[in-house]
Amino acid sequence: AQRVTQPEKLLSVFKGAPVELKCNYSYSGSPELFWYVQYSRQRLQLLLRHISRESIKGFTADLNKGETSFHLKKPFAQEEDSAMYYCALRGSNYKLTFGKGTLLTVNP
Amino acid sequence: SQTIHQWPATLVQPVGSPLSLECTVEGTSNPNLYWYRQAAGRGLQLLFYSVGIGQISSEVPQNLSASRPQDRQFILSSKKLLLSDSGFYLCAWSVPAGGGNEQFFGPGTRLTVL
Repeated sequence: AQRVTQPEKLLSVFKGAPVELKCNYSYSGSPELFWYVQYSRQRLQLLLRHISRESIKGFTADLNKGETSFHLKKPFAQEEDSAMYYCALRGSNYKLTFGKGTLLTVNP
Repeated sequence: SQTIHQWPATLVQPVGSPLSLECTVEGTSNPNLYWYRQAAGRGLQLLFYSVGIGQISSEVPQNLSASRPQDRQFILSSKKLLLSDSGFYLCAWSVPAGGGNEQFFGPGTRLTVL
């Protein structure tokens, strides 16, 4: 069975502070991990995927198979980063399993 | 370019009434299609997915059903709505087959059952 856990429902930081959104997963095979983001009044959209190993909008995420984690990090948060963030796992098929989401608020 | 549409945007329905939500995709052929429900504190729950016309897989037992009458049309239905069916329903599509395929989401439908 696939499971994604985002332990923080809410996360609040100040502008310029580092931010880390936690994501842990449970999957017996080799997973593909994603982060999706939903800004206010916008559609849910892909932020980044682990196979790309890229930085998007200053965010990075490293897949740690030993700790079964895929935490999302940004060294200096901006107010426009305020959004709902979902971690997702894709197993051996095309279905995605989403976590419950973390609402990030970046205060001025 | 590809686009995905959902309607209606909002819907208020009485308990026991029927439901039909529609999702259409443009600019691609034979997409995988998905229906999700997004509820506060519960994240996104996959309800149905489809890999082709007439092919529907249900992820959770519930009061809802889905159909795919055309390649790029995906419909979510209910014969009799329950209060617990209230929520935000999202349709999504992805390119069929392959790995690491991104899912593209529609704008969603806010359903309130009274």
